[in-house]
Amino acid sequence: AQSVTQLDSQVPVFEEAPVELRCNYSSSVSVYLFWYVQYPNQGLQLLLKYLSGSTLVKGINGFEAEFNKSQTSFHLRKPSVHISDTAEYFCAVSERRGGNKLTFGTGTQLKVEL
Amino acid sequence: DAGVTQSPTHLIKTRGQHVTLRCSPISGHKSVSWYQQVLGQGPQFIFQYYEKEERGRGNFPDRFSARQFPNYSSELNVNALLLGDSALYLCASGGLGQVSSYEQYFGPGTRLTVT
Repeated sequence: AQSVTQLDSQVPVFEEAPVELRCNYSSSVSVYLFWYVQYPNQGLQLLLKYLSGSTLVKGINGFEAEFNKSQTSFHLRKPSVHISDTAEYFCAVSERRGGNKLTFGTGTQLKVEL
Repeated sequence: DAGVTQSPTHLIKTRGQHVTLRCSPISGHKSVSWYQQVLGQGPQFIFQYYEKEERGRGNFPDRFSARQFPNYSSELNVNALLLGDSALYLCASGGLGQVSSYEQYFGPGTRLTVT
């Protein structure tokens, strides 16, 4: 079984400042890692994924994440945020073998302020 | 190309009633998964179907059931509704068995309110 921990439930940040949203996972098997974004009253949109290869993954909207196997982390970063980045962000994992069932964290609300 | 579609977008039901939610995957996708997202929490896995067969089931009571049709669309049924079933129900489609298929594409969800 896997679990995902997003330590920060809310992250306030000023526009144009950098941001990091933290994600740690626990699993007894190898996993794939994902970040999804959810805007109010909408479904989930895939931001980026780590399947294999380079541990630094670039996604949409200027976001990137780094997979750290030793620390079992997959933190999401953006060097300069915009008001439009205000949303809920979810980290998720799925087993490399056994289908693509996603296990999600509890989410981090990113609030970008002027 | 059309994304994942779900219907209805919203509905209100009374405790004890039954509800059916519908999902149409992206064209060419053979896998459909259902998730429940209670307000303020991350989505929780309910079911996964691939080629009309159940491939996974989350920790939900037997009141929850689902099926997948030959055209790969899917229904989620919930019987004897409880107040705690109020949530956003998300459908996701993807392939299965290929690395690239581990991406899942989510629909906009159905907001169920049980009163």
